[in-house]
Amino acid sequence: AQTVTQSQPEMSVQEAETVTLSCTYDTSESDYYLFWYKQPPSRQMILVIRQEAYKQQNATENRFSVNFQKAAKSFSLKISDSQLGDAAMYFCAYRRGETSGSRLTFGEGTQLTVNP
Amino acid sequence: ETGVTQTPRHLVMGMTNKKSLKCEQHLGHNAMYWYKQSAKKPLELMFVYSLEERVENNSVPSRFSPECPNSSHLFLHLHTLQPEDSALYLCASSSSRGEQYFGPGTRLTVT
Repeated sequence: AQTVTQSQPEMSVQEAETVTLSCTYDTSESDYYLFWYKQPPSRQMILVIRQEAYKQQNATENRFSVNFQKAAKSFSLKISDSQLGDAAMYFCAYRRGETSGSRLTFGEGTQLTVNP
Repeated sequence: ETGVTQTPRHLVMGMTNKKSLKCEQHLGHNAMYWYKQSAKKPLELMFVYSLEERVENNSVPSRFSPECPNSSHLFLHLHTLQPEDSALYLCASSSSRGEQYFGPGTRLTVT
C-alpha cells in the first residue's frame, strides 16, 4: 500500500522569506502523480502544484516549486517570498496512474505559520 | 461559478435524524469522491465513483449511504449517526489527468 509521510507537523516562516515543507512517500508503482494541497482556515482544499513521476523536471507554479527526488521518494515544497496568505495546512498527496477514480493518499499535513 | 459546490455548509443533526449532503461539480469531470476530515487526522477517503459507478468503499459504516445519479452530482445520505461522525465532509471531483478539485466542505455536528 502507498503511504505518504509529512514529518513536520508545524513550520513557521517570516514574511518574504523562503520555507521548505518535506514529504516522503512509499510506492512500488512507476506511474504516479504527486500533489501539494493547501487548506487555509476556510477549510477549502486548494491544489497548489502537481508533479508527474515520469517527468524529471521539477514543477513550478509562481512562488511554489517542488524538489522531486524519485529515487529517494521525496517530494518537498518550497515557498519563496512567503506571504501572510500562505498560512495554511499543507498536505502532500499521492495518486497512482492515470485512471479515472484513482484514490489520493494524503499525508498528515504541515501547519504553516507566516509571521509578519 | 465555483467548480465544486457542497450544500449545506453546516449541519447539526440528532442521532435519530436522516439528512443528506449534496455535492455538484461543474468541471466536466468523470469521477467524484467523498472524504471525511476529523480533527488531528489525515483525510480519510470514504467513497469513489467513476463514471457513476462506485469503485471504492473504504469500510464505511452503513449509516453512510452514497448516491451518484449522474456524473455531476453526488450525495451522501446520513442516518442514525454517532457523535464520532462529527467532522468536515469534503467532496472532490477529478478527470483522468488526476487532479482532484475539492468543494468547500460540510461541517457536520452530531448531537
